[in-house]
Amino acid sequence: GESVGLHLPTLSVQEGDNSIINCAYSNSASDYFIWYKQESGKGPQFIIDIRSNMDKRQGQRVTVLLNKTVKHLSLQIAATQPGDSAVYFCAENRDDKIIFGKGTRLHILP
Amino acid sequence: ETGVTQTPRHLVMGMTNKKSLKCEQHLGHNAMYWYKQSAKKPLELMFVYNFKEQTENNSVPSRFSPECPNSSHLFLHLHTLQPEDSALYLCASSQMGANTGELFFGEGSRLTVL
Repeated sequence: GESVGLHLPTLSVQEGDNSIINCAYSNSASDYFIWYKQESGKGPQFIIDIRSNMDKRQGQRVTVLLNKTVKHLSLQIAATQPGDSAVYFCAENRDDKIIFGKGTRLHILP
Repeated sequence: ETGVTQTPRHLVMGMTNKKSLKCEQHLGHNAMYWYKQSAKKPLELMFVYNFKEQTENNSVPSRFSPECPNSSHLFLHLHTLQPEDSALYLCASSQMGANTGELFFGEGSRLTVL
């Protein structure tokens, strides 16, 4: 069954503000997590990943935080832009299979 | 242009029809996948092919039949489908063994079963 899940199905953020999308997982043995972005009419696209030996990883305008104590990870998007409007999925690599949670749709308010 | 191409993009079929979805990857990857994406449900992994060998069949009904003739091509043969099979079917590829969770997805085939 599903072992990763997102807290909110939708999130609305003012353009220019930071966005924080949350995800919880249930398996304490999980050691590798990935965030994907899916724009309308397209397939999911890899954003950033993190392994359990790290608490934080940064990319271009994105940061992923991993809290193994409470089995929670988050994706932070700095200075949110209209092009960030999409559905965001957290996923887990389990036995070389990528298992996805439900998505959070990010709406950008003008 | 993505490295993974899916055809057709849209397909409408009756429950008695037989059709196939096609996926081609131009990335030199050794693994290919079929996922099903339904409204309000997580992406569901259906099949995994690693070096042309099927390594995963995630309890998918037999009315879905995958075929992987080589590491660049993947098909999903459809027959006697049900209306609840209507969904977006996504193909992906990756380099298995590269210690990464990065999948490269196509744009999907939107299937409607009448």
